Amino acid sequence: AQSVTQPDIHITVSEGASLELRCNYSYGATPYLFWYVQSPGQGLQLLLKYFSGDTLVQGIKGFEAEFKRSQSSFNLRKPSVHWSDAAEYFCAVESNTDKLIFGTGTRLQVFP
Amino acid sequence: DAGVIQSPRHEVTEMGQEVTLRCKPISGHNSLFWYRQTMMRGLELLIYFNNNVPIDDSGMPEDRFSAKMPNASFSTLKIQPSEPRDSAVYFCASSSRSWKRDNQPQHFGDGTRLSIL
Repeated sequence: AQSVTQPDIHITVSEGASLELRCNYSYGATPYLFWYVQSPGQGLQLLLKYFSGDTLVQGIKGFEAEFKRSQSSFNLRKPSVHWSDAAEYFCAVESNTDKLIFGTGTRLQVFP
Repeated sequence: DAGVIQSPRHEVTEMGQEVTLRCKPISGHNSLFWYRQTMMRGLELLIYFNNNVPIDDSGMPEDRFSAKMPNASFSTLKIQPSEPRDSAVYFCASSSRSWKRDNQPQHFGDGTRLSIL
């Protein structure tokens, strides 16, 4: 069965520091992978997606993610975090029946 | 462009009452998804429609929940009778799907925060 694991429930970083949020997936075929961000009281906003091709994908707000098939990972990165990046981040994989399977999320806290 | 529009944004009601949540997908999108988000269970897909037809409702928790999509621009999720354990944030999402599975991402509404007392 398809699944997504986000090992870090809560991460705290200082503003300006680099960030990496981990995501591991379980999927038998070539996965379609997504990162979404959710600010308090808001819906989920798509940061970036991977369907095929270049394994390093660029997204909005300065985020990028790298697909590594050998590690079944799709980690999200940002070189310098801003206070406005504080939010909850969800990794998701799309199944072959169009269903999105989400990880449990990582809550990011940013200190000034 | 208008995104996915959900109403109401907040709903507080007493247990046993009927609750109706509404969703207007992005114009031109032909797939619509209903999710529920709770602290305990995270984000769960309840049901999704393609071209107004329910494709997978395996996530609907029980018969008290029902969803309809009478046309391409409107969907409802109804809970009758409601129970306190139904308290959650309910999200609607839409996307464009074709037989080619061109995998356009899902776009989410801002959700309905439902509290059943």
